Amino acid sequence: EPEVTQTPSHQVTQMGQEVILRCVPISNHLYFYWYRQILGQKVEFLVSFYNNEISEKSEIFDDQFSVERPDGSNFTLKIRSTKLEDSAMYFCASSVYRGPYNEQFFGPGTRLTVL
Amino acid sequence: GEDVEQSLFLSVREGDSSVINCTYTDSSSTYLYWYKQEPGAGLQLLTYIFSNMDMKQDQRLTVLLNKKDKHLSLRIADTQTGDSAIYFCAESPRRGSYIPTFGRGTSLIVHP
Repeated sequence: EPEVTQTPSHQVTQMGQEVILRCVPISNHLYFYWYRQILGQKVEFLVSFYNNEISEKSEIFDDQFSVERPDGSNFTLKIRSTKLEDSAMYFCASSVYRGPYNEQFFGPGTRLTVL
Repeated sequence: GEDVEQSLFLSVREGDSSVINCTYTDSSSTYLYWYKQEPGAGLQLLTYIFSNMDMKQDQRLTVLLNKKDKHLSLRIADTQTGDSAIYFCAESPRRGSYIPTFGRGTSLIVHP
């Protein structure tokens, strides 16, 4: 069964460093998403991506964040200068369609720890 | 704005029924969802309910929706140890958006 994969499973970085989180969405999906969950808090939407551009973003997704689909399979989230408060589990998701019923398929997440 | 609240933990004995509760704020929500996250895996859509429905049953799962109180529940009959997971409630759409708003997740612990 096709699934969304994410690498690495755990990333440790120093404050101020750049990190790139990688995702491989399901191959025939057209919409891609990043969410994060700070420990003990809610799953928060960061950004959605379609047709090689951002279709929607939250207030969390500021200039420190960027997304890219560098080739036909990978979808990346870059954090330019990490802060302690960026420590969280980051989930990538993908879906075929966009709409009120659009089953999003989630990856297992990357745990980012900023020291 | 949209907000989804759910309790953090639920512990049940194997064979008993589990009821996970959720409250939401957006009365315009069209769909309400339950996602399940097993250890080491991503969130997986378990079931959903349209806002014009009161109840939906799918094998051992029963979803109840009280629109007046903006309350959603997930009942798992004959809970098994394999049901141990984190269950996320979500509502959609946000105004002008189709992105679901999630709660914190309820950790269901099933013990023998």
